[in-house]
Amino acid sequence: DSGVTQTPKHLITATGQRVTLRCSPRSGDLSVYWYQQSLDQGLQFLIQYYNGEERAKGNILERFSAQQFPDLHSELNLSSLELGDSALYFCASSGTWTSTEQYFGPGTRLTVT
Amino acid sequence: DQQVKQNSPSLSVQEGRISILNCDYTNSMFDYFLWYKKYPAEGPTFLISISSIKDKNEDGRFTVFLNKSAKHLSLHIVPSQPGDSAVYFCAASRGTGANSKLTFGKGITLSVRP
Repeated sequence: DSGVTQTPKHLITATGQRVTLRCSPRSGDLSVYWYQQSLDQGLQFLIQYYNGEERAKGNILERFSAQQFPDLHSELNLSSLELGDSALYFCASSGTWTSTEQYFGPGTRLTVT
Repeated sequence: DQQVKQNSPSLSVQEGRISILNCDYTNSMFDYFLWYKKYPAEGPTFLISISSIKDKNEDGRFTVFLNKSAKHLSLHIVPSQPGDSAVYFCAASRGTGANSKLTFGKGITLSVRP
């Protein structure tokens, strides 16, 4: 158990809908990262927050947004969903500013029908 | 553009033998490398890392080798155990610390036969 929690575990929704994925980092970790893993793809970095501030952006679509709250939990919002958004979404956290190793949650499997 | 490549999608080895998982990268600015292991229905788990100032890092049965001139790294597992059967991801970053973004390969599925 990495200490990173993600809810829900599974989500099935229709095209055009909007969903919110939630992540709680390890206790004390200030950085939260979001990744997308599609079929036959590696983990694609989406976005990073550090202590409530956006720090880095990767291949995140404009239809997607995220935020990190004062209690350090984070939410990833996906809107106008398309079939191609079906994927595993992972959240990871890291501890200190000098830490490169990231610790991953179990993921949320999103299925868009 | 795949900056981190794991060209072999799968590997099968006998229990007790050595498993060698390979990874190549194209971005010469990468200077920190990590391996993650992933079981089904779980998130990736950090395994071992290496800085570009080293060419080898060992942790128990796991050793990572880095060949900077070839832009190649490998993970050796000796001896391999059935519980090592998982997907292994190679990742690379520019710099270290919380501001460094990890770039992952597509993963290699390792099967260790009893």
